[in-house]
Amino acid sequence: EMQLVESGGGLVQPGGSLKLSCAASGFTFSGSAMHWVRQASGRGLEWVGHIRGKSNNYATAYAASVKGRFTISRDDSKNTAFLQMNSLKTEDTAVYYCIRPYYDSSGQSYNWFDPWGQGTLVTVSS
Amino acid sequence: DIQMTQSPSSLSASVGDRVTITCRASQSISTYLNWYQQKPGKAPKVMIYATSTLQTGVPSRFSGSGSGTDFTLTISSLQPEDLATYYCQQSYSSPPTFGGGTKVEIK
Repeated sequence: EMQLVESGGGLVQPGGSLKLSCAASGFTFSGSAMHWVRQASGRGLEWVGHIRGKSNNYATAYAASVKGRFTISRDDSKNTAFLQMNSLKTEDTAVYYCIRPYYDSSGQSYNWFDPWGQGTLVTVSS
Repeated sequence: DIQMTQSPSSLSASVGDRVTITCRASQSISTYLNWYQQKPGKAPKVMIYATSTLQTGVPSRFSGSGSGTDFTLTISSLQPEDLATYYCQQSYSSPPTFGGGTKVEIK
């Protein structure tokens, strides 16, 4: 069974930093892109960014709202993805989910997402 | 970025009712449209992908249709366990973008 488990959330002051982790199991992590999505309380879902696998040179992409402040990385030896968040703002307060795109039997990826982790809450407040 | 607009933002229906949720894309996305269900306090889970393909384990009362810019999620006979917020998401181009959600309540 594919599983994603996020950790590292908590309370941080504006301007501070936090690093989230996403531990993966049940699939070949090294070959998989990994995305992060966030959801502010009572609000919708916002894509944060992604990191692709080694065959795509670990390419990253970010939403405009976090570009230059957030960095996604991965450690394939530990089946773990990370979201480093710097210069945090109150509007970054949200539950952060890591998610995996679907891959078919030929290895083609499609940007619909399954599974999702349980999410980790980040609160930016003074 | 492609904008996704859902309607209504919320609805209340009785058990057994037919429920329809619409999703409109700001440009054509062919059939690259997916639907997620999010129950209170839980992570979203995919229900339908590629407009009309049910994910394994999803009850057959759920169905999806559409193409281009206009899409529909239908629950043929609403059940109490369908209480949730439903989101559409386009996978036509990066970044993937989501609709604002439709909260389904049971009368």
